[in-house]
Amino acid sequence: GAGVSQSPSNKVTEKGKDVELRCDPISGHTALYWYRQSLGQGLEFLIYFQGNSAPDKSGLPSDRFSAERTGGSVSTLTIQRTQQEDSAVYLCASRGAGYEQYFGPGTRLTVT
Amino acid sequence: DQQVKQNSPSLSVQEGRISILNCDYTNSMFDYFLWYKKYPAEGPTFLISISSIKDKNEDGRFTVFLNKSAKHLSLHIVPSQPGDSAVYFCAARPPGAGSYQLTFGKGTKLSVIP
Repeated sequence: GAGVSQSPSNKVTEKGKDVELRCDPISGHTALYWYRQSLGQGLEFLIYFQGNSAPDKSGLPSDRFSAERTGGSVSTLTIQRTQQEDSAVYLCASRGAGYEQYFGPGTRLTVT
Repeated sequence: DQQVKQNSPSLSVQEGRISILNCDYTNSMFDYFLWYKKYPAEGPTFLISISSIKDKNEDGRFTVFLNKSAKHLSLHIVPSQPGDSAVYFCAARPPGAGSYQLTFGKGTKLSVIP
């Protein structure tokens, strides 16, 4: 079946602009995660959605970052007033019944 | 403070030999561990996992060993193949009912030389 998809695959933006990154999870997966991977670093947890529960936003680095998950499916990560340190690969993952998370291909964000 | 550490950023192995990737953790309450493999320009893909009640799990060429007393786990790939060349991430599940977040290491880049 279809895996996790993310769009765009690459995004170049100017410092100070807002960006929106999209994630389509695996159909039927109730849990959705956003991570980012900066150059030479591991995966940094950003936010976690589980069903209709309030999201766990504990990993968001600043109030410029926000995420929504509409209808329990598609999620959008928004970064306002982007900074150069926001440049990274943003990864989305979804999870079904087990512990394993299934990742999308990521969006490479470059802030110039 | 990193709770999951992969101290070797890279590893080179000859094709056909064994690859051993190591991971150390600091939180003795972690109860589930996973390995992911990541190719360039792709997301990580789940490879193999182990529960803290076991010390070994095997799946084909891949075996994960867990040493709880040393807070150490390792991934063995044998025989190594060029297609195994990728970045390998170790991840651990924190304790707590309903805890489904994973803590990841920084990864080890494996290069299998033909």
